[in-house]
Amino acid sequence: DIVMTQSPDSLAVSLGERATINCKSSQSLLSSSNNKNYLGWFQQKPGQPPKLLIYWASTRESGVPDRFSGSGSGTDFTLTISSLQAEDVAVYFCQQYYAIPTFGQGTKVEIQ
Amino acid sequence: EVQLVESGGGLVQPGGSLRLSCAASGFTFSSGYMSWVRQAPGKGLEWVANIKEEGNEKNYVESVKGRFTISRDNAKNSVYLQMNSLRDEDTAVYYCVRGWSLYYWGQGTLVTVSS
Repeated sequence: DIVMTQSPDSLAVSLGERATINCKSSQSLLSSSNNKNYLGWFQQKPGQPPKLLIYWASTRESGVPDRFSGSGSGTDFTLTISSLQAEDVAVYFCQQYYAIPTFGQGTKVEIQ
Repeated sequence: EVQLVESGGGLVQPGGSLRLSCAASGFTFSSGYMSWVRQAPGKGLEWVANIKEEGNEKNYVESVKGRFTISRDNAKNSVYLQMNSLRDEDTAVYYCVRGWSLYYWGQGTLVTVSS
């Protein structure tokens, strides 16, 4: 199985400041056939199911604010919230779908 | 509008069985994988099983192999998870999810395994 490791486990950021979450996979998620990284980012708020934010490592899902961005390739990926808003308080998960899907352990984002 | 509505959760004793159902609407159900993902209370996400469009390919996480069976009925736009020999550690919210890449989730149904 592909192991996904996120850092940090939790993060406190002031409103309007940048939040950065890292995700590392135990093997490359880059497909040589289509040059795409099989990596997604999800946001989960209490009592709600996860919501897809980013797929193919950097493509924003429809309706997701542009303050959310994804970057990286191969085994190292980043989710950036450029200007944290109160409604962004949540747990964020990375997930690979290169093989049988696996998730990172989650990063809790709070307001400082 | 895409909708995935899970049902069938509840309280069951260790060793017991439950069958979860997921009714889908708002998209062409017969095209694409369907998956089940679970989340234990206060914990992270664990993919459980998926099934290909025609049901001829099924995949399971190691911890449920031989105990859980995923199936689908494309005529009824539904996917199922038969769970046998349930253990305490199977306690979780079970989500029905669309696609191999898990891009759309239902609200989930809670399964509690306890004596």
